[in-house]
Amino acid sequence: DAGVTQSPTHLIKTRGQQVTLRCSPKSGHDTVSWYQQALGQGPQFIFQYYEEEERQRGNFPDRFSGHQFPNYSSELNVNALLLGDSALYLCASSPERSGVFSYEQYFGPGTRLTVT
Amino acid sequence: QKEVEQDPGPLSVPEGAIVSLNCTYSNSAFQYFMWYRQYSRKGPELLMYTYSSGNKEDGRFTAQVDKSSKYISLFIRDSQPSDSATYLCAMNQMDTGRRALTFGSGTRLQVQP
Repeated sequence: DAGVTQSPTHLIKTRGQQVTLRCSPKSGHDTVSWYQQALGQGPQFIFQYYEEEERQRGNFPDRFSGHQFPNYSSELNVNALLLGDSALYLCASSPERSGVFSYEQYFGPGTRLTVT
Repeated sequence: QKEVEQDPGPLSVPEGAIVSLNCTYSNSAFQYFMWYRQYSRKGPELLMYTYSSGNKEDGRFTAQVDKSSKYISLFIRDSQPSDSATYLCAMNQMDTGRRALTFGSGTRLQVQP
């Protein structure tokens, strides 16, 4: 059973550019969350997608946007990159079964983004 | 003040020691508590989760939650060098509108052989 997968593993971009990161959730999971983890810090919640809609958003600017596809996979897009966007971007998935909430989130290996 | 506080360490212990990792939090609405282990340059791995107060044991790991003190702990018995990693506590509210996890900053653990 494949876990959460993310691509690419590493990415180097220049300030002002745009980037797209991809995530495939764990089998049987339909909810995808994205987190940003700066060096030496805990992950910070960006947003969560369920049924192809953004359900909850953290304190991140509109430069951060996302999408969820019918197969539950997801993309994170960041526009107008800043040096401060350099971080490990983590995708987490969880199951959302009707009437039974599961709060455990399972993380992928992350995409390390470096902005120069 | 951060909602979740965690001592960054590093915490260095000899192999076989009992390790105690802790987090405090300020949001009394948190009811679901998790511990993740993160190896260098990897994603967090879910170790344990507990709901509300009480203890939960899984092998060498024991998680404790004291909601009255807003304090959670993870104990590792018979620690091994392979336990060397950063340990993150995380929590969220049992609220259909808020499923985001709030993390501590992580405690780096080093188990010396």
